[in-house]
Amino acid sequence: QSVLTQPPSVSGAPGQRVTISCTGSSSNIGSHSHVHWYQQFPGTTPKVIIYGNTNRPSGVPDRFSGSKSGSSASLSITGLQSEDEADYYCQSYDSSLTAVVLGGGTKLTVL
Amino acid sequence: EVQLVESGGGLVQPGASLRLSCSASGFTFSTYIMHWVRQAPGKGLEYVSGIRGNGDRTYYADSVKGKFSISRDNSKNTVYLQMTSLRPEDTAIYYCVKDRATTVYYFDYWGQGTLVTVSS
Repeated sequence: QSVLTQPPSVSGAPGQRVTISCTGSSSNIGSHSHVHWYQQFPGTTPKVIIYGNTNRPSGVPDRFSGSKSGSSASLSITGLQSEDEADYYCQSYDSSLTAVVLGGGTKLTVL
Repeated sequence: EVQLVESGGGLVQPGASLRLSCSASGFTFSTYIMHWVRQAPGKGLEYVSGIRGNGDRTYYADSVKGKFSISRDNSKNTVYLQMTSLRPEDTAIYYCVKDRATTVYYFDYWGQGTLVTVSS
């Protein structure tokens, strides 16, 4: 059972918008800890696509955006493309556990 | 170019111990927090442990506290993960991961991983 809760799967048609939620608690996301998002394709290592709640590293398309409110965060992908099909993970820091915490991951399927 | 190369994985029996190593290059190793993250076959990512640049603070997931121990040798640009009392549920690819910052922030570089299989 992951400390951060994500839906196991989401799907959308090309061109549509999808949102992946990440729900935490007052000891992690709700305690002002930043949220970061990773994209992982099968057989590869994860890559950060959003850091510090809303920031995109260079090279990440602006179709990807992050937000945070209270103890939850969201990753939104607009103009969905087939190449976005991957697993997505949220990450934060838990001040009670004094450890990094990760979401269970969400598999994005592009229909 | 940042490089992280893990070693030490393999097939071990339940109850055995194993030490993983991660050799780093391409950055000022002693500055950054280093982590271990694992991924069981077909499963999600799971945080394992982390250690600050000068080794003065360590971080552990509850699932490995008291079983695993992280350390680093800045003279060798290497971080270690000592694993004891291994169980089948510890079977996973273990990734060495560099933090972006000197305090816990996000993971910016990953090694290719080393596979640990715990089975009789």
